[in-house]
Amino acid sequence: GEDVEQSLFLSVREGDSSVINCTYTDSSSTYLYWYKQEPGAGLQLLTYIFSNMDMKQDQRLTVLLNKKDKHLSLRIADTQTGDSAIYFCADGVEDGGSQGNLIFGKGTKLSVKP
Amino acid sequence: DTGVSQNPRHKITKRGQNVTFRCDPISEHNRLYWYRQTLGQGPEFLTYFQNEAQLEKSRLLSDRFSAERPKGSFSTLEIQRTEQGDSAMYLCASSSGLAGGLGNEQFFGPGTRLTVL
Repeated sequence: GEDVEQSLFLSVREGDSSVINCTYTDSSSTYLYWYKQEPGAGLQLLTYIFSNMDMKQDQRLTVLLNKKDKHLSLRIADTQTGDSAIYFCADGVEDGGSQGNLIFGKGTKLSVKP
Repeated sequence: DTGVSQNPRHKITKRGQNVTFRCDPISEHNRLYWYRQTLGQGPEFLTYFQNEAQLEKSRLLSDRFSAERPKGSFSTLEIQRTEQGDSAMYLCASSSGLAGGLGNEQFFGPGTRLTVL
């Protein structure tokens, strides 16, 4: 079955860039997503990328997609302490031209040191 | 607030009891999803609905689990004869179900945390 892998931890200093990596196995992925989860809070959709795109930029966030290697990354520029959270990569399962369920990685815990 | 809401937020029950959770999706969202999240893991898909039709069920959804969406609006997830292994956060999400990027975005509720003693 489809699988999504992420490294579990990342620690950066405030003001540095953070890069969170993800690999997936589903060759029919059409959309890939990044979600953020803060302690005690729900999942917040940060951004997504369509599979025919290589890059998407949204303010401090840059998503890079290498479809050949099935590798997705999320770069956060000028990382702030408020960015400390768990970041989940998610693969959208194709369902008749639309999107079915999401397959999530285990999440990367980002710690930002002042 | 027009986001996804879930009730209750917390539920503590004894093993063997039945529990029911409710999810109210974003208004006019056609698709509704249930996920389960345990500590240190990402959410795992359980089932989803397109309007009132249950389109897919994960193998994680044992016979003790049942979900309904009778009028295509809110949904309930019932767990019968709860076991300690059912302890988890149960998340609900909704999407418009329309073709294209924005229609595929799933918006999550705050979750119901179940503790089975």
